[in-house]
Amino acid sequence: DTAVSQTPKYLVTQMGNDKSIKCEQNLGHDTMYWYKQDSKKFLKIMFSYNNKELIINETVPNRFSPKSPDKAHLNLHINSLELGDSAVYFCASSQGTFGETQYFGPGTRLLVL
Amino acid sequence: KQEVTQIPAALSVPEGENLVLNCSFTDSAIYNLQWFRQDPGKGLTSLLLIQSSQREQTSGRLNASLDKSSGRSTLYIAASQPGDSATYLCAVNSGSRLTFGEGTQLTVNP
Repeated sequence: DTAVSQTPKYLVTQMGNDKSIKCEQNLGHDTMYWYKQDSKKFLKIMFSYNNKELIINETVPNRFSPKSPDKAHLNLHINSLELGDSAVYFCASSQGTFGETQYFGPGTRLLVL
Repeated sequence: KQEVTQIPAALSVPEGENLVLNCSFTDSAIYNLQWFRQDPGKGLTSLLLIQSSQREQTSGRLNASLDKSSGRSTLYIAASQPGDSATYLCAVNSGSRLTFGEGTQLTVNP
């Protein structure tokens, strides 16, 4: 059973398009995260939700909008895609908010042409 | 603001060698530190997690140590194998987020 799953695994799209990445966890965790790994392989947090409420919002363009319909899902919608958005996006989850082990999904590789 | 640095950026060793990967962080107010492995084109696999009150954790051939006061952690890999080739990431949990280092790319040559 996959603990944290993401769809799609690969996404190739044109500049200016709007796209969504979905994340689901079946671990019963309360907290979910989105991380971005850039071309230099550096991972950085973007957002964190706890029980469907936003708790972390790093300096991310407002073209990125996370949505949590329930605590098992955290989707990432990106408007007006730009070349610089090309990266690998990882979803993660943890039981609580502070100091908990985070479990990562397999990543979504986004390429903007 | 927490900053995490990993040294070396890349390491190539012959099979069977013992090796040490280094991680340093600037803010010692941490909950825990986690070592991950990332294979090319793949996600992150958690290897070891050390709570801030612990000094080390072991799993098989892996041993991770933590010196919170000096802001350092090491990952020791014994008797390295070609299958250990991957990028190793250190991540510090300062509360509600993980701050990652840039990773050490390890190649173990047969």
